[in-house]
This record gives sequence, structure tokens and C-alpha cells, in this order.
Amino acid sequence: QVHLQESGPGLVKPSETLSLTCTVSGGSISSRGYYWGWIRQSPGNGLEWIGSLYNSGSTYYSGSTYYNPSLKSRVTISGDPSKNQFSLKLISVTASDTAVYFCARDDKMGTILSDAFDVWGQGTMVTVSS
Amino acid sequence: DIQMTQSPSSLSASVGDRVTITCRASQSVSSYLNWYQQKPGKAPKLLIYAASNLQSGLPSRFSGSGYETDFTLTISSLQLEDFATYYCQQSYSIPWTFGQGTKVEIK
Repeated sequence: QVHLQESGPGLVKPSETLSLTCTVSGGSISSRGYYWGWIRQSPGNGLEWIGSLYNSGSTYYSGSTYYNPSLKSRVTISGDPSKNQFSLKLISVTASDTAVYFCARDDKMGTILSDAFDVWGQGTMVTVSS
Repeated sequence: DIQMTQSPSSLSASVGDRVTITCRASQSVSSYLNWYQQKPGKAPKLLIYAASNLQSGLPSRFSGSGYETDFTLTISSLQLEDFATYYCQQSYSIPWTFGQGTKVEIK
């Protein structure tokens, strides 16, 4: 059974970089067909998809990422197959980035391959404050 | 972005009631619509994918229907463990977007 666990600082200062890691157990982030995503939840903005990563595990093809356009200029999602982890970096944070951050497996489900988040981490609260 | 609007925002119901939650998309999402259940302090849990497919291992009292812009999540006989907040999510076009949630409370 796949299990995801977020880790990282719970407090980040304004204008600095938010960095979180998701450790995957019970499965590989290089598993064919799976994407790995980040979603955040705040009282003001509800659930917001940040981006997703496909890590092929291939030497010749590093995979692909796609991001929410509203955050794209500030976000990087990357994978480390050797540690079976993927990470989120969000630069130049402000108070509006305060949220619970979830990592999740983004699977293409059903005959129409609908992207759905079928396995989630427990979430980690990140507060942006000086 | 495709806006997802759920109604109602909250509802009160009793155990055994039939509950219906509606999700409307600002433009057609075909059948690219998923439903999640979230309990306080927990991560969302996938219930329904591709509009009408029940996630493996979940009880059949949950069902989904709809197409293009109008979707429904139905709980045929509400159980105590179903009191939670429910969200819809479209995966038709990036960015994936969620509804604002419907809180199901005990009457």
C-alpha cells in the first residue's frame, strides 16, 4: 500500500522560499503512469492544485511537470528517484501562501483517464510570518 | 480557469437520509469530474472518479452522475461516518480546480 509523508519547515519568513519534501513508501515515484502532485488548502482559497510531476526513472527522459499557471512563476516540483521523494519549492512567499500543503499521487483513472488524487499524505501546515 | 460551484454550501441531515450534492462547472468538463470526502484534520479521500466510478473499496451508497457542466454526488442512506465535507474537482483542463466544498452536518 502506497504511503506519502510530507516534511519541511512549518514557518517561513515572507519573501523567502518554502521547501517541502514528500517521501513515498510502498511504491516508486518512477512507477509507470503515475504523476505526483502538490495541493494546498487554506481557509481563503479552499483546495488549490499547485502542480504535478511525472518521473520516468529513465536516464534518457527526466519526465515532465505541469503547474498551476497562477503559481508557475514561483514553483518548482522535482523528483529524486534514489530517495523515492519529490519536492516542492515556492519562492518569494507571502502571507497568502499560508496553508496546509498536501502531497498526493495523481493517477489517470477510468477509461477516460481522468486525473484524480487517489493517495494523499496527511498534510503539513506552513505559516508565512516574520 | 474552470470554476467549480457546489450547492448547497452546507446541509443538515439525519442518519438514513438520502443526500444529494450538486457541482456545476463554468464550462464543459465532459466526464472529467472527481469527488472527494474530507474529515476535519484529515486529507481528502477520493470517492468517485470520472463522474460515476466508485473508488475501489468504498461502499455502494455513494454514487456520482452527470456530464459536461452538471454533476451530482448522492449518498443513498447517510451513515454516521459520512458526516464530512465533500469536494468536486475537474481534470478536464489545467489548472485542475476544486469546488468550494459542501459540509454535511448532523441534524
